[in-house]
Amino acid sequence: EAQVTQNPRYLITVTGKKLTVTCSQNMNHEYMSWYRQDPGLGLRQIYYSMNVEVTDKGDVPEGYKVSRKEKRNFPLILESPSPNQTSLYFCASSFTAGQYYEQYFGPGTRLTVT
Amino acid sequence: SQELEQSPQSLIVQEGKNLTINCTSSKTLYGLYWYKQKYGEGLIFLMMLQKGGVEKSHEKITAKLDEKKQQSSLHITASQPSHAGIYLCGAGDNYGQNFVFGPGTRLSVLP
Repeated sequence: EAQVTQNPRYLITVTGKKLTVTCSQNMNHEYMSWYRQDPGLGLRQIYYSMNVEVTDKGDVPEGYKVSRKEKRNFPLILESPSPNQTSLYFCASSFTAGQYYEQYFGPGTRLTVT
Repeated sequence: SQELEQSPQSLIVQEGKNLTINCTSSKTLYGLYWYKQKYGEGLIFLMMLQKGGVEKSHEKITAKLDEKKQQSSLHITASQPSHAGIYLCGAGDNYGQNFVFGPGTRLSVLP
């Protein structure tokens, strides 16, 4: 089954404790993204990757790192999480048909930083 | 950067009624995407509208793109409780760069 998986789905952690949220897709998509969703602010792009070893900042990259060592994986790293990073995080992957693309989203990771 | 506005913010309708949700872009639209989200869950892709494209349908949901107005409308015919959720429009640069979402329209359908 074609899908984007994220782990963990729920995470409660403390300020400053490094964490990684994994994202994996089995569709051989080149493009992957991370978003966060917050009440009143909606969904905002954190980072974007066009291919292996190619990443770019989105709207809200501060406090986050990403890596794309393999095509299928795109982990999101919080080196020193802070309470303002409490949010619902979504990973997405996409393919293109010319100029247009279709994004598939993971189920989300709900992160709470205390 | 591109911004998307949606109206209305929320909508409560009786089952069986038709409804329309609008999405307006601050920049020229080359492609517009509609997603549905159940509260706190993942996003479900509904349809993609291309510049110069035609109206598209997904079950009882129809959407079209008005390039001149930089606007898209999503229409649900004979709404059902299963249509309830948050509808989000999205757009971005080539291949998903700088992808932005509208704030969402929260739809409730009363049985």
